[in-house]
Amino acid sequence: AQKITQTQPGMFVQEKEAVTLDCTYDTSDQSYGLFWYKQPSSGEMIFLIYQGSYDEQNATEGRYSLNFQKARKSANLVISASQLGDSAMYFCAMREDAGGTSYGKLTFGQGTILTVHP
Amino acid sequence: GAGVSQSPRYKVAKRGQDVALRCDPISGHVSLFWYQQALGQGPEFLTYFQNEAQLDKSGLPSDRFFAERPEGSVSTLKIQRTQQEDSAVYLCASSLGGGTVYSPLHFGNGTRLTVT
Repeated sequence: AQKITQTQPGMFVQEKEAVTLDCTYDTSDQSYGLFWYKQPSSGEMIFLIYQGSYDEQNATEGRYSLNFQKARKSANLVISASQLGDSAMYFCAMREDAGGTSYGKLTFGQGTILTVHP
Repeated sequence: GAGVSQSPRYKVAKRGQDVALRCDPISGHVSLFWYQQALGQGPEFLTYFQNEAQLDKSGLPSDRFFAERPEGSVSTLKIQRTQQEDSAVYLCASSLGGGTVYSPLHFGNGTRLTVT
């Protein structure tokens, strides 16, 4: 079974609008971390935002927020006020604790390509 | 710069050649990971080092792949007798801690390997 599922291969949004990128995850661990990364066409992987499994509040970082619904095992990324520079591939990823044995290996989803239109 | 540095940025190899990809992590970072990313896909785990110890190499696709980090800082991923299916972007990442789920991985720009 896929540990991270991103069901939207591509998304389009108008500049200045908000967009939500979906991510669901599968784990039996109680302790885990969820991450979103942005990968522009240049290839670098840029860390955006993190949510811990025990965090009660949704994470926010500037225009990025993470809509964390633990019971549904979803961790959707919300980008507000989209900018042309937001056009990129976005990856959801998870680190599991696995009883302290996993050393924090990141497992990635397949990604969503976001295109921002002027 | 203070980020993860990878070299070369691009590598073209003829099938059967050996290649070596270098990763210089952020200074002081204990954990170092190698990932392989095929075109249009998410990165796939290859191997993990904690300091100089290779604690997990379960993602290495074959015994042609070998990684080392002899002094606990710079790491090299070596691919022997390259095959066309080895063509991918190889990403290196480091993190400060020794395995906490709470710290993000910081990635380099990757090495794009093309095997002809």
